[in-house]
Amino acid sequence: SQQGEEDPQALSIQEGENATMNCSYKTSINNLQWYRQNSGRGLVHLILIRSNEREKHSGRLRVTLDTSKKSSSLLITASRAADTASYFCATDARSGGGADGLTFGKGTHLIIQP
Amino acid sequence: GAGVSQSPSNKVTEKGKDVELRCDPISGHTALYWYRQSLGQGLEFLIYFQGNSAPDKSGLPSDRFSAERTGGSVSTLTIQRTQQEDSAVYLCASSPTRTGARETQYFGPGTRLLVL
Repeated sequence: SQQGEEDPQALSIQEGENATMNCSYKTSINNLQWYRQNSGRGLVHLILIRSNEREKHSGRLRVTLDTSKKSSSLLITASRAADTASYFCATDARSGGGADGLTFGKGTHLIIQP
Repeated sequence: GAGVSQSPSNKVTEKGKDVELRCDPISGHTALYWYRQSLGQGLEFLIYFQGNSAPDKSGLPSDRFSAERTGGSVSTLTIQRTQQEDSAVYLCASSPTRTGARETQYFGPGTRLLVL
């Protein structure tokens, strides 16, 4: 089953507006991470939030985590054209015995219109 | 060499040929990961290495896929008898310690593989 489903799949907003993306997951986690990907190439780590944290900030980014709802949100404030990219959430499942890689969703494609 | 590097950047091959993809992790990172990203899909975890060993190979899509890591550094992902469905971007990532999945992973730029 897909762990980490982003919503919406695509989002187009005007420069300067705030962008909110959501992520839902299915199993218990140790942490949840958000990554950005430009032009289908390498991913850049944005922020990591641990399962015992509820909110975290980094610059214009704000991430929330609700473990009771198994969901997270990424807010980008005062968006810029350079924020245009695909954004992925990734989870590190708590259950043992499985692969140790992160489990990614399919991403939200964000377009910032100048 | 600040980041993870991968080579080649792009690879076009004919169906049935073997390909070898290379990943150079960040120096000192003990954990190394391979992922595959197909068109319009999320990232699919393939395999990870702790040092030179890969404790779990169950993520590899088929027995045509193999990976190795030598000297705790460079890793190669080999795809034998390539098929068109192998076309994807293959991404490598590394992280500092054994508990890499609980930490930030640093990704390379990927190798874009096209099987004709």
